[in-house]
Amino acid sequence: ETGVTQSPTHLIKTRGQQVTLRCSSQSGHNTVSWYQQALGQGPQFIFQYYREEENGRGNFPPRFSGLQFPNYSSELNVNALELDDSALYLCASSLQGGHGYTFGSGTRLTVV
Amino acid sequence: GNSVTQMEGPVTLSEEAFLTINCTYTATGYPSLFWYVQYPGEGLQLLLKATKADDKGSNKGFEATYRKETTSFHLEKGSVQVSDSAVYFCALSVDQAGTALIFGKGTTLSVSS
Repeated sequence: ETGVTQSPTHLIKTRGQQVTLRCSSQSGHNTVSWYQQALGQGPQFIFQYYREEENGRGNFPPRFSGLQFPNYSSELNVNALELDDSALYLCASSLQGGHGYTFGSGTRLTVV
Repeated sequence: GNSVTQMEGPVTLSEEAFLTINCTYTATGYPSLFWYVQYPGEGLQLLLKATKADDKGSNKGFEATYRKETTSFHLEKGSVQVSDSAVYFCALSVDQAGTALIFGKGTTLSVSS
């Protein structure tokens, strides 16, 4: 049974650029959630995808968007990057209706 | 709104000491409660959970009891090891569909031998 895989592990972007982060969910999981974890803080819920549609969203602006693919993998896209977007981005997969989240190791995004 | 408050860290203990990390919550309805652990450079791992009042979650020697009357879910371990050094997050979910977790800010535990 494979866990949750995220790529890349680290990247550096310039303010105003766009970025795409990728996540492969754990085998058998059909739901993917994304979280932003700023340094020294707890993770903040961005959104969740189920059956390729957004299934819940936290307090993040529309420049944060996502996709889920038929194989349940997912992408997080952030447009018009700001310095405050620098954070660890965590992907978590689960079965819809369950609380058994499996987290990936995250992508460390630095915006300069 | 819904929120989780954890004790400020860091918590520094000697090996075999008793550990308590306090967690209180504010939530509508009847949330499920969780403790997650994050080791350096890694993602979050579920440590234990409780889904209703008076439930006790336990794993790897860690325990936490869901106390509705005090809205608390304190994490305890009788004898910590150096390998327990990590950041611990208390979290809740009010959505029965399991849509989102609400996390506290985390408490760093450092155990020395």
